Amino acid sequence: GNSVTQMEGPVTLSEEAFLTINCTYTATGYPSLFWYVQYPGEGLQLLLKATKADDKGSNKGFEATYRKETTSFHLEKGSVQVSDSAVYFCALSRWSGGYQKVTFGIGTKLQVIP
Amino acid sequence: EAQVTQNPRYLITVTGKKLTVTCSQNMNHEYMSWYRQDPGLGLRQIYYSMNVEVTDKGDVPEGYKVSRKEKRNFPLILESPSPNQTSLYFCASSRQGEGYEQYFGPGTRLTVT
Repeated sequence: GNSVTQMEGPVTLSEEAFLTINCTYTATGYPSLFWYVQYPGEGLQLLLKATKADDKGSNKGFEATYRKETTSFHLEKGSVQVSDSAVYFCALSRWSGGYQKVTFGIGTKLQVIP
Repeated sequence: EAQVTQNPRYLITVTGKKLTVTCSQNMNHEYMSWYRQDPGLGLRQIYYSMNVEVTDKGDVPEGYKVSRKEKRNFPLILESPSPNQTSLYFCASSRQGEGYEQYFGPGTRLTVT
């Protein structure tokens, strides 16, 4: 079956530090890949996505590139802010046989300190 | 405003007392899904629905039921709740097909004593 692997954290960084959150996946075929963010007390919201190999998704200074050869979709940001403190989920979506299956990673908690 | 709504937001109940958590979306999405979020386990899918009257089990369906009689609504039913169903529950919806992101509700925090 499909799976998504990411570290749970917490990841603690100082403001303006560089962020990388690793995400690797296992899936048949060519899934779409997503990063969602969950701020405290809220539901998840889409941060960025990529639907085919070598696509780069970007939003709010965050980026991730769909790497089929390494089955990865690592999230990066050049300079984090305190307001980026949240839980980040990597996810994949696979449409197969008329059915859509979505699989989430465990979520990585990011804490940014001033 | 495009949104997914859930009710109630918070619920404390006792073992065995049937309950329903409602979910509604106003985006005419075909796909809807329920998840539970638990510390150390992330987000796990309970049930999903591809369209009206089409539902299927996710990864953790035991102890839950769903129905999809209308496109906009996808209630989650716990016929006989148990303490191990204490969790944070999210409903989500999306368009059907590859590449579409999900829109999440605000969550329902359920405590079963």
